[in-house]
Amino acid sequence: EAQVTQNPRYLITVTGKKLTVTCSQNMNHEYMSWYRQDPGLGLRQIYYSMNVEVTDKGDVPEGYKVSRKEKRNFPLILESPSPNQTSLYFCASRENPGQGPYEQYFGPGTRLTVT
Amino acid sequence: AQSVTQLGSHVSVSEGALVLLRCNYSSSVPPYLFWYVQYPNQGLQLLLKYTTGATLVKGINGFEAEFKKSETSFHLTKPSAHMSDAAEYFCAVGGWASGGSYIPTFGRGTSLIVHP
Repeated sequence: EAQVTQNPRYLITVTGKKLTVTCSQNMNHEYMSWYRQDPGLGLRQIYYSMNVEVTDKGDVPEGYKVSRKEKRNFPLILESPSPNQTSLYFCASRENPGQGPYEQYFGPGTRLTVT
Repeated sequence: AQSVTQLGSHVSVSEGALVLLRCNYSSSVPPYLFWYVQYPNQGLQLLLKYTTGATLVKGINGFEAEFKKSETSFHLTKPSAHMSDAAEYFCAVGGWASGGSYIPTFGRGTSLIVHP
C-alpha cells in the first residue's frame, strides 16, 4: 500500500530536549515536505526537499532542521524545542519535483506538545 | 506571490442540504488548484484538482469544484451533504518560487459541520 508514515504519532516533551520525528514514504517520490498545522492558520510549510541531499526552507523554518540522506526518509529535527512549537505536524511527499499538477500525499500527523 | 483565501472558518449545513465551500486564490501564473479533506485524527487526502482544460472538476465522494478565472475562484460544492462529510477542508494552489522550487500554498481551512 502506498503510504507516508510518521513516528511517533503523539509526543509530549520538555523545553530544550532534542527530538526527531521520522517520516518515510514508499512511493519513490522525489519531493518531500514538512508542515505544521495550527488552529486558524492552516498548514504552513517548514522545510521541503526536492531530492536526496537537496533541502530548502519553507515559510516557517526557524527552530527546525531536516536531512535527506535517503530518498524514502525525511526526518524533522527539533534541536531545542520550545512551547511555541507545540503543534500538529504533517509530512508529505509528491511524485515529481518539477512543474506539474501532482498532488501531495500526507502522513497521518504527529501531535507534539512541548511543556 | 501566491495566496489562498477560504471564506468562513466554519460552515454548518443540514444533512441533505447543498454544501458550498468558498476559495479564492491569487497567482501570477496559471495555477494548479487542489481541494484536500482532513477527517478527524487523519492526514489530508486529495478530493480533486484542477490542472488545465475543463473548468468543472469532479472529485471523490460526490464533490466538485469549478475554476473561474475571471473571479479567481475555485469553490467546492456537493449537492447533498452527508454526515460523513463532516471534516476540515483545505484549498491549495501549487506554485513556483524563483529558482524553480515548488512551494504550495494552503488556505486556512474550513470546518464543515453537518447537522442531522
